[in-house]
Amino acid sequence: DAGVIQSPRHEVTEMGQEVTLRCKPISGHDYLFWYRQTMMRGLELLIYFNNNVPIDDSGMPEDRFSAKMPNASFSTLKIQPSEPRDSAVYFCASSWGETQYFGPGTRLLVL
Amino acid sequence: GDSVTQMEGPVTLSEEAFLTINCTYTATGYPSLFWYVQYPGEGLQLLLKATKADDKGSNKGFEATYRKETTSFHLEKGSVQVSDSAVYFCALSDSRGGSNYKLTFGKGTLLTVNP
Repeated sequence: DAGVIQSPRHEVTEMGQEVTLRCKPISGHDYLFWYRQTMMRGLELLIYFNNNVPIDDSGMPEDRFSAKMPNASFSTLKIQPSEPRDSAVYFCASSWGETQYFGPGTRLLVL
Repeated sequence: GDSVTQMEGPVTLSEEAFLTINCTYTATGYPSLFWYVQYPGEGLQLLLKATKADDKGSNKGFEATYRKETTSFHLEKGSVQVSDSAVYFCALSDSRGGSNYKLTFGKGTLLTVNP
């Protein structure tokens, strides 16, 4: 099993640019979660999906953030426009049941 | 709402020392409890879990017992190694028999083990 796949692993961009993070969950998993991790705020749940439907997006910081899951094997998290305070590691996780399996993360730096 | 409180650390130990990381929780239902570990530069991975009171989860020499009476799930290891250096997260899932598998995480505890 390949595990959860995220791309890119590292992203450096300039303030104001659009950033798209991608996630491929483990096949057969019906839940997908997006998290953000920073030193200051720790691990934050941004949004999660069940069977491709967004269930709770209350953690999305503001309208600049959006997430989609067009099918069971792909999800995106988009930031438009990006700001320096968005710099963080973004994790995708998937699950079937209670145990979540995390991807390796995307380290985002917004200059 | 649900919450998890764990000792903040950082915790620094010498190799072969005994480890305890405290974790307590608040939940309205009957949660499952988890410990996740994050090694440097990696994502979180499940270390162990327990799904009901008095269950003991164990893996890689680590143990934690689900204590409903004290609402605790403390992580222990008898003899730590340098390779155990990582951040440890306590978490709960209160699905209440339904389909909500959202996890509530503690803030994480950084463990450094010196040779």
